Amino acid sequence: DSGVTQTPKHLITATGQRVTLRCSPRSGDLSVYWYQQSLDQGLQFLIQYYNGEERAKGNILERFSAQQFPDLHSELNLSSLELGDSALYFCASSPWGGTTYTGELFFGEGSRLTVL
Amino acid sequence: GDSVTQMEGPVTLSEEAFLTINCTYTATGYPSLFWYVQYPGEGLQLLLKATKADDKGSNKGFEATYRKETTSFHLEKGSVQVSDSAVYFCALTDLNSGGSNYKLTFGKGTLLTVNP
Repeated sequence: DSGVTQTPKHLITATGQRVTLRCSPRSGDLSVYWYQQSLDQGLQFLIQYYNGEERAKGNILERFSAQQFPDLHSELNLSSLELGDSALYFCASSPWGGTTYTGELFFGEGSRLTVL
Repeated sequence: GDSVTQMEGPVTLSEEAFLTINCTYTATGYPSLFWYVQYPGEGLQLLLKATKADDKGSNKGFEATYRKETTSFHLEKGSVQVSDSAVYFCALTDLNSGGSNYKLTFGKGTLLTVNP
């Protein structure tokens, strides 16, 4: 158990709909990352938040947005869903960096989204 | 940008066989290198890491050596077990860039199946 909790584990919805994925990081971790895993694209970095602020952006579509709340949990919002958005969405967390930082990310078990 | 190239799978081996999964990288900085493993139905977890040239990371019988001259970080295990069946991801991050806005860049993953 990594200590990172993601909900829901599975989600089935229709094209055009909007969903919200939730992530609770490990206790004490300030950074949250979102990744999308699909068969053809592999693991794609979407976005990173640190202590409530967006810090890095990857291949995140404009239809997608995220935020990190004061209690450090994060939500990934996916709107106007398309068939191609079907994927496994992972959240990962890490502690604050600096000289003691190991570079390790701690991953949740993922939220599997199926768009029909 | 930074990238990681892994050998394409799937890889199927018999128990006790020798395993090599090739990984090469392209990076502008001086990255740290990682191997993550994803067991069926689970999130990714760190298998081993190396933070500087000639470092050897090792864990659970797996090893990988950071080769700066060949920009490689190949994963090896002398005798695989059925329980090693999983997807293996090579990844890199630049810890020397400082701050908290770093990310892991992953290869596409290599599926390993070990048969009894």
